[in-house]
Amino acid sequence: EAGVTQFPSHSVIEKGQTVTLRCDPISGHDNLYWYRRVMGKEIKFLLHFVKESKQDESGMPNNRFLAERTGGTYSTLKVQPAELEDSGVYFCASSPGLAGSYEQYFGPGTRLTVT
Amino acid sequence: RKEVEQDPGPFNVPEGATVAFNCTYSNSASQSFFWYRQDCRKEPKLLMSVYSSGNEDGRFTAQLNRASQYISLLIRDSKLSDSATYLCVVNWATNKLIFGTGTLLAVQP
Repeated sequence: EAGVTQFPSHSVIEKGQTVTLRCDPISGHDNLYWYRRVMGKEIKFLLHFVKESKQDESGMPNNRFLAERTGGTYSTLKVQPAELEDSGVYFCASSPGLAGSYEQYFGPGTRLTVT
Repeated sequence: RKEVEQDPGPFNVPEGATVAFNCTYSNSASQSFFWYRQDCRKEPKLLMSVYSSGNEDGRFTAQLNRASQYISLLIRDSKLSDSATYLCVVNWATNKLIFGTGTLLAVQP
């Protein structure tokens, strides 16, 4: 079974530019999550989709970040315009839609560098 | 106070040693608890879930003490391949995972 995949693996952009990250969850997983790790800090939650609906977006830092999951399959996270403090590793995770199942499986991450 | 606190280490231990990691969490309403393992520049990988009754998977044993809001991970007979960062992770009712900063383990030959 294929795991969570993310694209690109690395992205280097200039401040003010736009970047779109993509995540493909494990097939059949209704729950999709975005997390971020900035240098020296712990991994932090950004948001949670259940199918195509945003269940919890309390971790989104500001309105420069836009996440979508049209059709309830893959998801994109767009940063526009990017700022220096957006640099970090963006992880996507997924979990089944089973009651009481909270185990989340992570993708390899996208390493974003804003210069 | 951080929501999940761990000793960052590093823990440098010889092969074959037993090593224990501890973690405390601040939210008494936390419902699920996990240990994840993260290798350098890789994604976190689920090592094991932690249950109130304690659970064991081979050389790994996890314990949960809800009254003290404390989670532990014991690794017996350490292998070189156990070298990694071990992340203590707590889940609140909303499915949002809260991560500790991780404890770095280096197993020496």
